[in-house]
Amino acid sequence: AQSVTQLDSHVSVSEGTPVLLRCNYSSSYSPSLFWYVQHPNKGLQLLLKYTSAATLVKGINGFEAEFKKSETSFHLTKPSAHMSDAAEYFCVVSDPGRDDKIIFGKGTRLHILP
Amino acid sequence: NAGVTQTPKFRVLKTGQSMTLLCAQDMNHEYMYWYRQDPGMGLRLIHYSVGEGTTAKGEVPDGYNVSRLKKQNFLLGLESAAPSQTSVYFCASSAPGPERNYGYTFGSGTRLTVV
Repeated sequence: AQSVTQLDSHVSVSEGTPVLLRCNYSSSYSPSLFWYVQHPNKGLQLLLKYTSAATLVKGINGFEAEFKKSETSFHLTKPSAHMSDAAEYFCVVSDPGRDDKIIFGKGTRLHILP
Repeated sequence: NAGVTQTPKFRVLKTGQSMTLLCAQDMNHEYMYWYRQDPGMGLRLIHYSVGEGTTAKGEVPDGYNVSRLKKQNFLLGLESAAPSQTSVYFCASSAPGPERNYGYTFGSGTRLTVV
């Protein structure tokens, strides 16, 4: 069965410093992996996706993630944090069954310090 | 704007009352899903549908029913609301096949409080 573990429930960084949000997955198949962002009292927005093409995936707002099969990881990074990045981030793995289900991690709340 | 629309956006219910949440999508997506979001739990799948007239249980289906009478609409019903159903509910849709790699499209959520 597929699962995803977000290793930190909260991460705090100073504005202008790098961001690292960690995600490990478990899958019997070649998974599709996604990162979604949710700003306070808002819906979910797709940041980026990995679907077995390039292992380094670039997303919106300067975020990127690297798929590492040997480490079963899909960590999200950004070189320089901005105050507007404060939000909750969800790592998501696809279930390859016919019903196209996806499985969410529990989320990482990113705090940006001025 | 194309996308997923949820109504209502907010609702307060008394224990034992019933209500229906409506999700509508205009992207001609085959698959639709209902999730609930609770603090520290991520999003958990309640029910889903892979096409008009079909429904299936997800991870946390108890206390909910769904219907997909039209392809564009997916209804979530609470027959007898309980305080444990206080949550934020999200609807999503997706297209099968290679298009699913573009990810889901989510609605903006319904915040439900049961008192």
